[in-house]
Amino acid sequence: DQQVKQNSPSLSVQEGRISILNCDYTNSMFDYFLWYKKYPAEGPTFLISISSIKDKNEDGRFTVFLNKSAKHLSLHIVPSQPGDSAVYFCAASAVQAGTALIFGKGTTLSVSS
Amino acid sequence: NAGVTQTPKFRVLKTGQSMTLLCAQDMNHEYMYWYRQDPGMGLRLIHYSVGEGTTAKGEVPDGYNVSRLKKQNFLLGLESAAPSQTSVYFCASSSYRGSGNTIYFGEGSWLTVV
Repeated sequence: DQQVKQNSPSLSVQEGRISILNCDYTNSMFDYFLWYKKYPAEGPTFLISISSIKDKNEDGRFTVFLNKSAKHLSLHIVPSQPGDSAVYFCAASAVQAGTALIFGKGTTLSVSS
Repeated sequence: NAGVTQTPKFRVLKTGQSMTLLCAQDMNHEYMYWYRQDPGMGLRLIHYSVGEGTTAKGEVPDGYNVSRLKKQNFLLGLESAAPSQTSVYFCASSSYRGSGNTIYFGEGSWLTVV
């Protein structure tokens, strides 16, 4: 049973436009959420995170929104750049219960120029 | 500035052979993890450790064993490799309850079992 779901395997966006990547979770114990970015033949790298006590966190072109009642979070990239083309993983953890992250299956973002 | 280092980077095994993947981190992190990545499956946790001398099972532990004899090292063993264990393996580490549990990953180890 998937606890973290990324229902869109891929997303294509034009350079300069907004990219919106979505993630749903089922475990109400999750209290910390992260997005990781992965290029081919490299390990995932941390992008941005949000605690369950917040509903928004911004870092430059990247913003993560959290809707706890809907158990949904999204990553917005504005403006999108060709270098953003990568696989994006949503991850969640329940800090009280332990620190292992549970990852979604990932969304492949392609930004065309 | 090594971070998390995995060896070997590539390996081809025959079915039934055994091998060990070595992970080393130089960030003095308490927590270490082994994940595997398969097409369309995302990253799945195999085993993890919350400190030296401790290990715990993750989502997909069957067929693997781990050891954490030293804080900086986390070993993943395959006792009798199977084709289903063909995957990319990522080691990772994080500080104890630090930074909201941001995990730092190694570059991956590509394992093929024939």
